[in-house]
Amino acid sequence: GIQVEQSPPDLILQEGANSTLRCNFSDSVNNLQWFHQNPWGQLINLFYIPSGTKQNGRLSATTVATERYSLLYISSSQTTDSGVYFCAGTQGGSEKLVFGKGTKLTVNP
Amino acid sequence: NAGVTQTPKFQVLKTGQSMTLQCAQDMNHEYMSWYRQDPGMGLRLIHYSVGAGITDQGEVPNGYNVSRSTTEDFPLRLLSAAPSQTSVYFCASSPADGQGKNEQFFGPGTRLTVL
Repeated sequence: GIQVEQSPPDLILQEGANSTLRCNFSDSVNNLQWFHQNPWGQLINLFYIPSGTKQNGRLSATTVATERYSLLYISSSQTTDSGVYFCAGTQGGSEKLVFGKGTKLTVNP
Repeated sequence: NAGVTQTPKFQVLKTGQSMTLQCAQDMNHEYMSWYRQDPGMGLRLIHYSVGAGITDQGEVPNGYNVSRSTTEDFPLRLLSAAPSQTSVYFCASSPADGQGKNEQFFGPGTRLTVL
């Protein structure tokens, strides 16, 4: 099965800073999702982005399927952005979602 | 729509006890799955189902049973709880097109502690 690697594992920012989170896949994926797990443990869907670029407010994501990576951009970070960000993908005809280990983001006021 | 719901939110068990974690969705999704989340390990797939009457094992199935009698419900059973099953459990669902190209949605999770 595919392997999913996320970097960096930890990131500490001051409020207002920008950041880029990376997700690398060992093989091509059919589905690519980004999630935010907030401090209460909820998994929030951020982007469904198997290819291309999407934007939602201060967040945007880009997936380059041919090069097997995806990037999540957070601009003008806020303390509410803190939490763990996961990327996950499926391979072949499978619906099974494989997760990376996450990037823990801490935004300080 | 309520989306994906899970009960209970929290549970404490003693070693050897059994219990069922409930998961339901009202989106008429064919695909449902269970994950466990442990510190530093991300989410790992326990069992999944591509439709009523069809289930299969994921990455870490030992100690867990599932069944899928309806499209809406996908319960996870722990037959004899062990401390190693202390974890946060998430249920997810999505449409199933046989191509793995659908967005998946997660429930709020169940935090289980086995003493």
